[in-house]
Amino acid sequence: DTGVSQNPRHKITKRGQNVTFRCDPISEHNRLYWYRQTLGQGPEFLTYFQNEAQLEKSRLLSDRFSAERPKGSFSTLEIQRTEQGDSAMYLCASSLAPGWNSPLHFGNGTRLTVT
Amino acid sequence: AQSVTQLDSQVPVFEEAPVELRCNYSSSVSVYLFWYVQYPNQGLQLLLKYLSGSTLVKGINGFEAEFNKSQTSFHLRKPSVHISDTAEYFCAVSPMDSNYQLIWGAGTKLIIKP
Repeated sequence: DTGVSQNPRHKITKRGQNVTFRCDPISEHNRLYWYRQTLGQGPEFLTYFQNEAQLEKSRLLSDRFSAERPKGSFSTLEIQRTEQGDSAMYLCASSLAPGWNSPLHFGNGTRLTVT
Repeated sequence: AQSVTQLDSQVPVFEEAPVELRCNYSSSVSVYLFWYVQYPNQGLQLLLKYLSGSTLVKGINGFEAEFNKSQTSFHLRKPSVHISDTAEYFCAVSPMDSNYQLIWGAGTKLIIKP
């Protein structure tokens, strides 16, 4: 169990650029979640996948945001035409099964700074 | 809709003293309750959870929490803290009719004074 891995750890980009983050979940976990966390706040749910299917998207996820999980393994989160308000920590988590008997395992996050 | 309130943004406490971190929630449906911890430069990890059964829940690292339905609270306690408990602590709830949604509090920074 190598844990949930997120890359890059930090990303600085200029407003208007596109960015892509990657999450590698724990290998046998079929559920994968993306959250966003701003300073002084708890995480906010963005979206989740069961295997390769994206089952739920928050209304926080504007049309500039897209997430994929091809083949039900790693996932990518892309933000197009970044805005300063997108600056945040983007967290990925995975779990083995539905229900809360299987805990979420979080990665260390990708910190995005939009200048 | 659900919301979670962590009343204290920071709690300073001396080493070996007891601590209580407060969490209150609001929900129109029954919820599951969680406490997560985030150590500096690390990801969030589960401390403990309440799903059903006994309202006193024991977690890792000597922490425990008590679910109080009438007061809609889920306060976290530890009888004696160590310097290694320095971290940010997050309370979260999940509506029982959802198996994926977590609503989080803003977090409480626990600062241990030597």
